[in-house]
Amino acid sequence: GAVVSQHPSRVICKSGTSVKIECRSLDFQATTMFWYRQFPKQSLMLMATSNEGSKATYEQGVEKDKFLINHASLTLSTLTVTSAHPEDSSFYICSATPAGGGEKLFFGSGTQLSVL
Amino acid sequence: QKEVEQNSGPLSVPEGAIASLNCTYSDRVSQSFFWYRQYSGKSPELIMSIYSNGDKEDGRFTAQLNKASQYVSLLIRDSQPSDSATYLCAVMLTTDSWGKFQFGAGTQVVVTP
Repeated sequence: GAVVSQHPSRVICKSGTSVKIECRSLDFQATTMFWYRQFPKQSLMLMATSNEGSKATYEQGVEKDKFLINHASLTLSTLTVTSAHPEDSSFYICSATPAGGGEKLFFGSGTQLSVL
Repeated sequence: QKEVEQNSGPLSVPEGAIASLNCTYSDRVSQSFFWYRQYSGKSPELIMSIYSNGDKEDGRFTAQLNKASQYVSLLIRDSQPSDSATYLCAVMLTTDSWGKFQFGAGTQVVVTP
């Protein structure tokens, strides 16, 4: 079946540093990828919709300059958390829909970010 | 405001019993509905999707949709300890990109042996 690989699975960083998270579709081309954030015992909150070759669409309240999204190819989208702070500590998950693939959606395995 | 509401639980269910989970949504243009299971620290796994009013059965799972009342439910029959997880209700609007979901906060289910 289709696989979405997300790396790293866990990252610990110091406050003020930047962290890049990769979301890669391994066996299909993904025109659209989504980035979610989930705090403990809370819902997955959509951060942004990433379309290949164009700027990401951010949800209300999500700082686009802090959460940089790059969808440079049909198999790779990256989320960079710039100048991370402890309040950015969260579980980040990507999902991807195959190009022309109808109603299918595949989730990455998630990245647990801890900012000290 | 678009919202998807679920009881947070925990919902304690004896092994072999039926677990009943409910979800309500606020946006009437919602057309696609999904139930996901999420284990702690893991990404969600799709259990079922439902698009039309009525019941949809898949193995031990039955999803029920009532668009007039704006609710969707999930029944888990013959609950097993491995069913212990958080169950997320997800709603997609017709006006949104396919795969752009609004998630509920999830209901934690604990199946006791």
